[in-house]
Amino acid sequence: QVQLVESGGGVVQPGRSLRLSCAASGFTFSNCVIHWVRQAPGRGLEWVAVVSYDGINKYYADSVKGRFTVSKDNSKNTVDLQMSSLSAEDTAVYYCARANAPPFSQNFYYSMDVWGQGTTVTVSS
Amino acid sequence: EIVMTQSAATLSVSPGERATLSCRASQSVSTNLAWYQKKPGQAPRLLIYGASTRATGIPARFSGSGSGTEFTLTIDSLQSEDFAVYYCQQYSNRPPYTFGQGTRLEIK
Repeated sequence: QVQLVESGGGVVQPGRSLRLSCAASGFTFSNCVIHWVRQAPGRGLEWVAVVSYDGINKYYADSVKGRFTVSKDNSKNTVDLQMSSLSAEDTAVYYCARANAPPFSQNFYYSMDVWGQGTTVTVSS
Repeated sequence: EIVMTQSAATLSVSPGERATLSCRASQSVSTNLAWYQKKPGQAPRLLIYGASTRATGIPARFSGSGSGTEFTLTIDSLQSEDFAVYYCQQYSNRPPYTFGQGTRLEIK
């Protein structure tokens, strides 16, 4: 079935790096836009980043710009989120989500229709 | 950045009644507005996109309306499984695609 599965979460010390991965199955991943969204404990949803279907165009929230990098590997059906200079404010459950967009869309302005179950990142010394 | 404001942090409604949730954008987002349902330990679930189109498999008791800066999610005849947190999100033009802070729908 249509599925996204995140992995790579864990406990990391402040200032260190962590790489999350999102694996897709059940749909044609190579023509899809993918988002990352996070939810800190007791907080609401926060959009983090988006990558185009071909992995070329990327946008980031101001809160992570310059520290996080999103990459898409269509040969492996995965999207990674490389996170560096982590702080306690990055502690959250991280979700990847598929954009509810036409195939090969050059635009990002679509909702998110398929979500993974999330992976938890805890930044603590 | 477009700021999304959900006027009620918490809404208390009885089962079987109607719930009306509001969301306001700091500038026009046309109809580029989605609603999501979030339950603890679960992934968000897309309910409404394009301000008023129900996502696949979403019951007809969920409806959305509005355009520009004012939006409403209405849930008719509340069922026990509808008590959750609801988020609006704008996806107008370029990112960032901001969420509202959420409205917790609780049993009255």
